Amino acid sequence: GAVVSQHPSWVICKSGTSVKIECRSLDFQATTMFWYRQFPKQSLMLMATSNEGSKATYEQGVEKDKFLINHASLTLSTLTVTSAHPEDSSFYICSARNYYNEQFFGPGTRLTVL
Amino acid sequence: AQKVTQAQTEISVVEKEDVTLDCVYETRDTTYYLFWYKQPPSGELVFLIRRNSFDEQNEISGRYSWNFQKSTSSFNFTITASQVVDSAVYFCALSDVYSSASKIIFGSGTRLSIRP
Repeated sequence: GAVVSQHPSWVICKSGTSVKIECRSLDFQATTMFWYRQFPKQSLMLMATSNEGSKATYEQGVEKDKFLINHASLTLSTLTVTSAHPEDSSFYICSARNYYNEQFFGPGTRLTVL
Repeated sequence: AQKVTQAQTEISVVEKEDVTLDCVYETRDTTYYLFWYKQPPSGELVFLIRRNSFDEQNEISGRYSWNFQKSTSSFNFTITASQVVDSAVYFCALSDVYSSASKIIFGSGTRLSIRP
């Protein structure tokens, strides 16, 4: 079946540093990838939509300069949290959509900013 | 605008009881998808079902069943003979079908606890 991986699964960093999270579709090509953020005991909130080779589309209220998204290939998208602060601590989940309009979610990355 | 409402924030039942999780949605689209996902403590989303708005037939999969009522914009999920392993947060979600974006919009989730 379709598998989406995320790396790392968890990361702890100091305030002010940048963190990169990778999202890969392992056995299919993803026309579109999505990035979600989930705070404790809350729902998944869509942050941005990215298409291979083009700029990401950010949801209202999401700072594009803080959350850099690169979708360099049909199997890889990266989310970089720049100058991370404790309020950026969250669970980040990506999903990848195939040509049949099916979306598959990654296992998530837990970010803790000290 | 699309919206998914899960009015039940938490439900706790004793093992073997049946439990129904409610989901009400809003959309202007005539064609859309509805989903249910399970999120255990590990955090990884587990896909349970995707239903196209054209298909109003109810579905049963083992102990799980889904009731889709287009007239009331509801897509409820029932677990029969619940088990402790069913304890998780369950999300109902909605997406459009034909848009190039096809964003999935999630409800706020229902935390289900099954007591032994």
